[in-house]
Amino acid sequence: SQTIHQWPATLVQPVGSPLSLECTVEGTSNPNLYWYRQAAGRGLQLLFYSVGIGQISSEVPQNLSASRPQDRQFILSSKKLLLSDSGFYLCAYRDRGFYEQYFGPGTRLTVT
Amino acid sequence: AQTVTQSQPEMSVQEAETVTLSCTYDTSENNYYLFWYKQPPSRQMILVIRQEAYKQQNATENRFSVNFQKAAKSFSLKISDSQLGDTAMYFCAFLRGNNDMRFGAGTRLTVKP
Repeated sequence: SQTIHQWPATLVQPVGSPLSLECTVEGTSNPNLYWYRQAAGRGLQLLFYSVGIGQISSEVPQNLSASRPQDRQFILSSKKLLLSDSGFYLCAYRDRGFYEQYFGPGTRLTVT
Repeated sequence: AQTVTQSQPEMSVQEAETVTLSCTYDTSENNYYLFWYKQPPSRQMILVIRQEAYKQQNATENRFSVNFQKAAKSFSLKISDSQLGDTAMYFCAFLRGNNDMRFGAGTRLTVKP
């Protein structure tokens, strides 16, 4: 069965510091991968998606970037965090041939 | 422009009763997918049910069912025999193309004992 992992679970970082959030998927091959951000009390906003290694599509201009160095690994990064980057970050995957997305447990990021 | 609208920020229901959560969406496409996700206090998003727009039959998953009205662009979720564990945020989502999932703002459902 497929599982999706995210780490860290929580993170507190000062403004201007770098960021690296990691997402890995097990039990599937060549999935589509997604990064979402959820502000407090709000719905999810799609940030990036990837249909293959090295292929990244950005949905929202921002202070963040994404990379997919391996088939089942998706990384969200920033060189310098802003206060507005605080939020709950969710990674998701979709198997080819299907349309539903399955989510990881999320990372709560607080920028101070 | 808002693609997915959930007009009920909060709802409550007595345990064992039935509740319906509303969702409307905006699209000019003919083939698409709709979903309901549940987000309990743990904050992990859990898929509840999905509906393909080309299917007229409403989807059902155990106690969860949808009322899909394509012409009206409406996609409501009915929870029967509500249980305490159903307490959560519920998000309606619309899939644009293959990858662009748009979420509503959510409905906070509380099931009361």
